[in-house]
Amino acid sequence: KQEVTQIPAALSVPEGENLVLNCSFTDSAIYNLQWFRQDPGKGLTSLLLIQSSQREQTSGRLNASLDKSSGRSTLYIAASQPGDSATYLCACSSASKIIFGSGTRLSIRP
Amino acid sequence: SAVISQKPSRDICQRGTSLTIQCQVDSQVTMMFWYRQQPGQSLTLIATANQGSEATYESGFVIDKFPISRPNLTFSTLTVSNMSPEDSSIYLCSVELGARYEQYFGPGTRLTVT
Repeated sequence: KQEVTQIPAALSVPEGENLVLNCSFTDSAIYNLQWFRQDPGKGLTSLLLIQSSQREQTSGRLNASLDKSSGRSTLYIAASQPGDSATYLCACSSASKIIFGSGTRLSIRP
Repeated sequence: SAVISQKPSRDICQRGTSLTIQCQVDSQVTMMFWYRQQPGQSLTLIATANQGSEATYESGFVIDKFPISRPNLTFSTLTVSNMSPEDSSIYLCSVELGARYEQYFGPGTRLTVT
């Protein structure tokens, strides 16, 4: 049974810093891993999707990596801004089932 | 990509009543998914809805409590029946698109049961 873990549960950093969010999973038989952003009380916005055959994906200031052998993914955010404050969730997709991590609540201090 | 809308965006309901949540997608999709997100928690899959067949429910969720309709390839409803305060959550619908199995989510319905 797939288990997805995100550590830390919360993170606060000053504006301008680069930061890394972590996601680990127990079953490497995944189709893809997707990173989402969720603002309070809102739905999920897809940030990046890494297919199982890929190692990383980039979009603007965001870079996501995938290491299936170690069961880990990271989301790197460069030059953080207060607008990046949100909860970030990773999700592993396999056999038409998606398992979400519990999320990291990120706060960027101006 | 897909644009997904949900109605209502939020509601406050009395214990024992039912609420039907609508999910509309701007393109035809095979599978639609319904999730629950309890306060401070991550997402839990309630069921998968395919057009023309009965929804498939995850462990811990039953059709009598969460009946789902899927009348066509762009629309689905989830009903939360005989509500109790424990049903207070955000309910989200999502679809899976493309060869990459990418997930897209609606804005969610915030339900409070008093």
